[in-house]
Amino acid sequence: GENVEQHPSTLSVQEGDSAVIKCTYSDSASNYFPWYKQELGKRPQLIIDIRSNVGEKKDQRIAVTLNKTAKHFSLHITETQPEDSAVYFCAASRGSGTASKLTFGTGTRLQVTL
Amino acid sequence: DADVTQTPRNRITKTGKRIMLECSQTKGHDRMYWYRQDPGLGLRLIYYSFDVKDINKGEISDGYSVSRQAQAKFSLSLESAIPNQTALYFCATSGAGHRTNTGELFFGEGSRLTVL
Repeated sequence: GENVEQHPSTLSVQEGDSAVIKCTYSDSASNYFPWYKQELGKRPQLIIDIRSNVGEKKDQRIAVTLNKTAKHFSLHITETQPEDSAVYFCAASRGSGTASKLTFGTGTRLQVTL
Repeated sequence: DADVTQTPRNRITKTGKRIMLECSQTKGHDRMYWYRQDPGLGLRLIYYSFDVKDINKGEISDGYSVSRQAQAKFSLSLESAIPNQTALYFCATSGAGHRTNTGELFFGEGSRLTVL
């Protein structure tokens, strides 16, 4: 089955700096790669996703890049703010409509310091 | 607002007891899931259901069972709880019935289970 590795497990950045979280996946047939954000004590929520026919996607201060050849994808957060502090999970699956096969990474705890 | 609701939110029990976690949703979604979250292990799928008559095992189904009582209700049972089932459990939904299923998961608020 799919295996998703996520790094780093913890990341501390100063407010205003950029943060990058990287994930690798094992199943070359995977074609849907979402990112979820989980604030302390809250439920995970989708913040951005990318499909394999796209190399990069941006939404304001967040962006995701995908390299299918190398089987890795990354989350980039620019101009970080305290409210970006959370745990971020990457995931991968075959088929965007098949959440049943969504495999999550182990999470990255991002701390944005003032 | 349409939501995913889990009960109980917190539960402490003893080894060997039977426990049921319940999930209901008002989002009109057809697909429902149970995930387990452990520190450093991420979110792992226990069971999922695409409709009332459909139940599927996820990657860590041993020691768990589920019941899809209705389109909007999906319960998770631990027949004989053990300490390593101590975790945060999330119910989630996806799909929009007659609308295109985007694959996005909508999570409940979580149920924290402690087995002593």
